[in-house]
Amino acid sequence: DARVTQTPRHKVTEMGQEVTMRCQPILGHNTVFWYRQTMMQGLELLAYFRNRAPLDDSGMPKDRFSAEMPDATLATLKIQPSEPRDSAVYFCATQGISGNTIYFGEGSWLTVV
Amino acid sequence: SQKIEQNSEALNIQEGKTATLTCNYTNYSPAYLQWYRQDPGRGPVFLLLIRENEKEKRKERLKVTFDTTLKQSLFHITASQPADSATYLCALVYTGGFKTIFGAGTRLFVKA
Repeated sequence: DARVTQTPRHKVTEMGQEVTMRCQPILGHNTVFWYRQTMMQGLELLAYFRNRAPLDDSGMPKDRFSAEMPDATLATLKIQPSEPRDSAVYFCATQGISGNTIYFGEGSWLTVV
Repeated sequence: SQKIEQNSEALNIQEGKTATLTCNYTNYSPAYLQWYRQDPGRGPVFLLLIRENEKEKRKERLKVTFDTTLKQSLFHITASQPADSATYLCALVYTGGFKTIFGAGTRLFVKA
């Protein structure tokens, strides 16, 4: 069945290292969201794309975070350099052309030590 | 800035009772509002959507109300079951369609 696929599911890395998270949207979905979830802040919108174009990345720390959609089947979120405060669950979510529902992946659980 | 508030305290209720969760927002005129369910270790899953011109929406044991004057949505689960135990998130979607902002969620525990 159709689902949003995220990799890696879990990642432990050292401070200063580069982290890349990947997302495969549901086929045909043209809006892609990146969210970060922590106990303290809840689910925060980092960035979102429509038809591969970035529409809003105001929720993302620009100095270390970057989000791209190299093609319609792949969205990436990169952190360079990573810091312990980046430890969180990062969710990718997608939305179809005519739909209102957002479909979430299972998340990438990031721990920066 | 926009703010969405959900009760941060967990809600504990007895099986069979009605659970009512609240979502309040400020500085915001959403096109529509959604409710999602999130289980531990999983991504949120869509439950219901209600538009700004709708007062109430139902789906099986779920009911959502939307009061744009009070800037509040209520989410009800009737005849609650232990399997309803989860975190429930409300989300608002900007007019224009895409940007979706979530509340922090309310944890619901239904005791048998």
